[in-house]
Amino acid sequence: AQTVTQSQPEMSVQEAETVTLSCTYDTSESDYYLFWYKQPPSRQMILVIRQEAYKQQNATENRFSVNFQKAAKSFSLKISDSQLGDAAMYFCAYRSGNTGKLIFGQGTTLQVKP
Amino acid sequence: DTGVSQDPRHKITKRGQNVTFRCDPISEHNRLYWYRQTLGQGPEFLTYFQNEAQLEKSRLLSDRFSAERPKGSFSTLEIQRTEQGDSAMYLCASSLRFSDQNEQFFGPGTRLTVL
Repeated sequence: AQTVTQSQPEMSVQEAETVTLSCTYDTSESDYYLFWYKQPPSRQMILVIRQEAYKQQNATENRFSVNFQKAAKSFSLKISDSQLGDAAMYFCAYRSGNTGKLIFGQGTTLQVKP
Repeated sequence: DTGVSQDPRHKITKRGQNVTFRCDPISEHNRLYWYRQTLGQGPEFLTYFQNEAQLEKSRLLSDRFSAERPKGSFSTLEIQRTEQGDSAMYLCASSLRFSDQNEQFFGPGTRLTVL
């Protein structure tokens, strides 16, 4: 069975600085997708960034980028120029290529200090 | 596009009662998912539908839980004989199969408290 592990329950960053959130996963599949979702307090979950396993190039979305290390089964999220609005719980998620369900990690709460 | 909606947003019930939640997906989305999230944890998959067909169910979905998606539009999740351990946020998401986006859009959730 696939698993997703986020080993950092909480992280903090100074406004305008850069922070990296860690995620590792375990799978024997070759066709899969990885995601980072953001869940602000009392608000719904939104997709931050996605990565297809067959793509070697790391995904980027404005201030958000990933470091996808397929052999190491690592998928970290880098947030550059952190803003107060980035404060939220961040979840790493895995989806197999042949099913629709997402498998989530335990989450990392990110605090942004002004 | 109004997004995924869920009703009710909050439900307080007594142990042993039955509860039903509703999810309305984004109109053109043919896949609909249910997840359960307890405080401070990541969502756990419960079940998902493609159109009206229920394609996969988690072992978390005991026989007290049932989900339906008649006509492939909205979905309902019913919990019978609720237990205190059922207290959680129930999230619904939808997506469009055959989209290269592979993105699931989440609703605001229904928070269930079982007294």
